[in-house]
Amino acid sequence: GQQVMQIPQYQHVQEGEDFTTYCNSSTTLSNIQWYKQRPGGHPVFLIQLVKSGEVKKQKRLTFQFGEAKKNSSLHITATQTTDVGTYFCAGGSSNTGKLIFGQGTTLQVKP
Amino acid sequence: DGGITQSPKYLFRKEGQNVTLSCEQNLNHDAMYWYRQDPGQGLRLIYYSQIVNDFQKGDIAEGYSVSREKKESFPLTVTSAQKNPTAFYLCASSIDYRTPYEQYFGPGTRLTVT
Repeated sequence: GQQVMQIPQYQHVQEGEDFTTYCNSSTTLSNIQWYKQRPGGHPVFLIQLVKSGEVKKQKRLTFQFGEAKKNSSLHITATQTTDVGTYFCAGGSSNTGKLIFGQGTTLQVKP
Repeated sequence: DGGITQSPKYLFRKEGQNVTLSCEQNLNHDAMYWYRQDPGQGLRLIYYSQIVNDFQKGDIAEGYSVSREKKESFPLTVTSAQKNPTAFYLCASSIDYRTPYEQYFGPGTRLTVT
């Protein structure tokens, strides 16, 4: 079946360093969403990308959707302790609400 | 104050017992979902419902059952047939199922079965 792989599983960075997580799908996606889950919390929607090659920015966060619509990345510039949490990508394979979640990347930031 | 509520936050059961997890939303969303989260595995879809009185199996439906008698409610029953029920269960909703809208998650229920 369809799979969405996300790497790395864990990342420890010093505050101020950059961070990137990558998401790869075994099939072409119609859209990709990104969520953040703080420790002990629930996933919260960050953004959705729909177009091939799309790039969106939210302050220090940059999201990209690959040209082939099979991969995506989230890049955080100059991490802060408030960025701590697990970041999930979630791919949609058709124009429905069903999402396939990646395993998540847990980010730890050392002050 | 709109949102999704799940109760209880923590639930403990003995093996062999069925248990029902509640999920209520006041967002007027048509679509609702149940996910299971295990450490290092992301979220896996158990059941989803596109509209009242309708629901479909997700990727890991065995040992679970749901109902959708009201738009705002989508309870999940973890039956004794579920071989490894200890997990973090998340309920979510979205405006509708036909379009990939963002999903809103509840706070989750952490179920421990011993």
